[in-house]
Amino acid sequence: GESVGLHLPTLSVQEGDNSIINCAYSNSASDYFIWYKQESGKGPQFIIDIRSNMDKRQGQRVTVLLNKTVKHLSLQIAATQPGDSAVYFCAARRAGSYQLTFGKGTKLSVIP
Amino acid sequence: KAGVTQTPRYLIKTRGQQVTLSCSPISGHRSVSWYQQTPGQGLQFLFEYFSETQRNKGNFPGRFSGRQFSNSRSEMNVSTLELGDSALYLCASSLALGNTEAFFGQGTRLTVV
Repeated sequence: GESVGLHLPTLSVQEGDNSIINCAYSNSASDYFIWYKQESGKGPQFIIDIRSNMDKRQGQRVTVLLNKTVKHLSLQIAATQPGDSAVYFCAARRAGSYQLTFGKGTKLSVIP
Repeated sequence: KAGVTQTPRYLIKTRGQQVTLSCSPISGHRSVSWYQQTPGQGLQFLFEYFSETQRNKGNFPGRFSGRQFSNSRSEMNVSTLELGDSALYLCASSLALGNTEAFFGQGTRLTVV
């Protein structure tokens, strides 16, 4: 089966710095990856996604990098703001399945 | 446009009881997925429905079941509740089966005592 893990359960960054959150997946057949943000008391919110035929995708202040060789993806947040404080989850889907497997999450704290 | 609505927001049940949670997807969305979120296990997939049919099921015991109605609203049921079923139950809706941009509701916090 698929397992998805994050390298660090918590991450603290200074406001204005860039944040990097890492994630590893186990199934080389995974073809789609998503990053979600979850604020306290709310459901997960879609941030950005990437398909396995890409290695980089950019959104507004966020970039996702995918390294299929080592089965690793990362989420980069530029100029981190206090509003970015949340738990971030990566999720993976293997080809032929619609089920998403989530990592356990990294709690990002932004220091003003 | 209303988001995904889950009711109730909070529930307290006793061991052995059963519970039904409700999810109303975004208007026009036909796929509904359910997830269980706990501090120890994170977000775990329960099942996914599309056009009133269960299309995918995660690794949960048969005590966990669900259904979807013709208006795409979905319910999940947990019978013979156990303490370990205490969790945040999240529902996500998508335009179509497997459509990857899934929008989550705020969840139902279930506490089993």
